Order: sequence, then structure tokens, then C-alpha cells
Amino acid sequence: AQSVTQPDIHITVSEGASLELRCNYSYGATPYLFWYVQSPGQGLQLLLKYFSGDTLVQGIKGFEAEFKRSQSSFNLRKPSVHWSDAAEYFCAVGAGKLVFGAGTILRVKS
Amino acid sequence: EAGVTQFPSHSVIEKGQTVTLRCDPISGHDNLYWYRRVMGKEIKFLLHFVKESKQDESGMPNNRFLAERTGGTYSTLKVQPAELEDSGVYFCASSQESQGSYEQYFGPGTRLTVT
Repeated sequence: AQSVTQPDIHITVSEGASLELRCNYSYGATPYLFWYVQSPGQGLQLLLKYFSGDTLVQGIKGFEAEFKRSQSSFNLRKPSVHWSDAAEYFCAVGAGKLVFGAGTILRVKS
Repeated sequence: EAGVTQFPSHSVIEKGQTVTLRCDPISGHDNLYWYRRVMGKEIKFLLHFVKESKQDESGMPNNRFLAERTGGTYSTLKVQPAELEDSGVYFCASSQESQGSYEQYFGPGTRLTVT
């Protein structure tokens, strides 16, 4: 069965520090992987996606993610976090119907 | 280009009442999805339309939920009668899925509270 694990429910980082949010997946075929962000009061916004090709993908707002097939991981990174990045982040897998992780709430301290 | 819109943004109803949620997808998107997030849990798939046809409704929790997409444009999700456990945020998403692109664009969600 398809599944996504985001092991960190909450993460707090200082503004300007680097960020890595973890995501592990289980999928029977070549995975289509996504990261979404939900800011307070907003809907889900697509940050980036991986379908094939280069395993390091760039997204919006300065985020990137690296697909590692051997580790079944698709971790999200950002070199320098801004206060406006405080939000909830979701990793998802699927071609069509999406399976989501539980989400990671990011807090940014100044 | 307008994004996915959902109405209402919030709904508070009593147990046993009926509620209808509406989703307007991005114009031209044939695929429409409904998802739900119950408090503290993951976002879960409910069903998938391709145009006006239900492609996959494996996530619908029970027969109190009825989804329609007449004419292949907007969709409605009706809950009748509502139960306490139906409370949560209902998201709608749409996609085109041509040429192998599976990006889904989400609406802001409808927060349903059943008291």
C-alpha cells in the first residue's frame, strides 16, 4: 500500500537558519512526489514536484528537494528560512489520487 | 487565471442536518478531487471525477456522502445526515493530467463543524 511518513510533527528553526523536512514514502511504481505548504487560513500550495529526471528539484520560495530512490526519501530543504515560511508542510505521493503524510508544522523564531 | 474556489469557507451545522459543499475547479481541468482532513489526522482522498464521471470513489466513508459533478464543471459534496465525526476541512483540487503532469491545484478548503 502507498504511504508517506513525515517523522517530524513540529520543527522550530531560527530565522536565517537552514531547514530540512523529512519525507519517506512507500510506493509500488515510479513515484510522483510533491511538497505542498499550507499557511494559516490558506489552501494548499504546491512547492515543488518530482516526476523523473534530475533528482534535485527546485521549487518556489527558494525550496528544493532531493529524491533518493535507495532511501525512499524526498526531503525538502531551504538554505535560509524566513519568518514567512512558518506554515504546515505536506509531502504527498501519487499519480492522480494523492497520499499525504501527516504534515510538519514549521515554527520560525526570530 | 482563477484558482480553485470552494464555498462556503466555514459551515457549522447540527448533527442530523444536511450540508452541501461546492467546488469550482480551474477552468478546463477535467480532473477534480475531493479530500478531507479530520482534526489531527492526515489529508485523506475521498473521490476523483474525470469530467462528469466518478473515476474513483474508494475514499468515500459511507453512503451519507454524495458527490456530483453535473456537466463536468463544478462539483458538490453533500453530507446527509451529518454526524459528529464528519467535522474537518474538506479540500477540493483540480488538475489537467495531460502529458503526464499530475499537479493538483487545491482550493482553500471548507471547514465543517458538526455539533
